[in-house]
Amino acid sequence: QLVLTQSPSASASLGASVKLTCTLSSGHSSYAIAWHQQQPEKGPRYLMKLNSDGSHSKGDGIPDRFSGSSSGAERYLTISSLQSEDEADYYCQTWGTGIHVFGTGTKVTVL
Amino acid sequence: QVQLVQSGAEVKKPGSSVKVSCKASGGTFSSYAISWVRQAPGQGLEWMGGIIPIFGTANYAQKFQGRVTITADESTSTAYMELSSLRSEDTAVYYCARVSSDSSGYYPLYYFDYWGQGTLVTVSS
Repeated sequence: QLVLTQSPSASASLGASVKLTCTLSSGHSSYAIAWHQQQPEKGPRYLMKLNSDGSHSKGDGIPDRFSGSSSGAERYLTISSLQSEDEADYYCQTWGTGIHVFGTGTKVTVL
Repeated sequence: QVQLVQSGAEVKKPGSSVKVSCKASGGTFSSYAISWVRQAPGQGLEWMGGIIPIFGTANYAQKFQGRVTITADESTSTAYMELSSLRSEDTAVYYCARVSSDSSGYYPLYYFDYWGQGTLVTVSS
C-alpha cells in the first residue's frame, strides 16, 4: 500500500534552515512526489515536484530558498533563511495506480 | 495565469446533497484532469476523486464510492463535485485542483499544480 509518512512538527529560528522529511512506504522508494504549502487559514499552494534522484522543479513564483532532495525512500524539503510567512503546514503528495495520496503533513513553526 | 474559482460556502442538513463548482480560466481546461480534495477542521488533505474533462470519465477514492459524483462541462470550463447522503463528518473545506503530469522519473507523477480557493460545506441539523 502506498503511504507517505511525515513528522507532525518541526521548528527553527527566523533566518535559520529547516529540513522536512517525507518517507515513501516499502516498495515505492522510486516514486516522485510533490510538496505543497498551506499557510494558516489559506488553501494549499504547490511548491515543487521532486524525483527519486533529487531533481526537482518548482512552481511559479516559489522562492529560491525552497529546495528539494532525495535519499532512498526519503524525500526532503529544505527551507533556508526562514521567514515568518514560512510558518505553515507542509504536505507531500504522490500518485499510484489511479489514486492520489497525501502525507499527514508537517507543521513548521518559526521561532 | 491559471485560476480555479469555486462556488461559495454551503450549509446543508444531514441526509441532503451538496454540489460545488470549480470554474477554470487561463489554461486549456479539457487537457488537464481536475481533482477534488477535502480538509476536515484541523485535519489533513484527503483526495476524493477526479475527472479528465476531455474523456468525461471520473475515478473516485474507495471511501467515497457511491456517494460522490464528479462531472465537468467543457463549454464553461467548469468542474463539479456532488456529495450525497451528507453527515456531520462531511463538514469540511472542499478544494478543486488541476492535475499536471510528469514523466521524468522512474514512474509517472500526477500532481496538483493549481488549487481553488476552497468551499466550506457545513453539515448541521
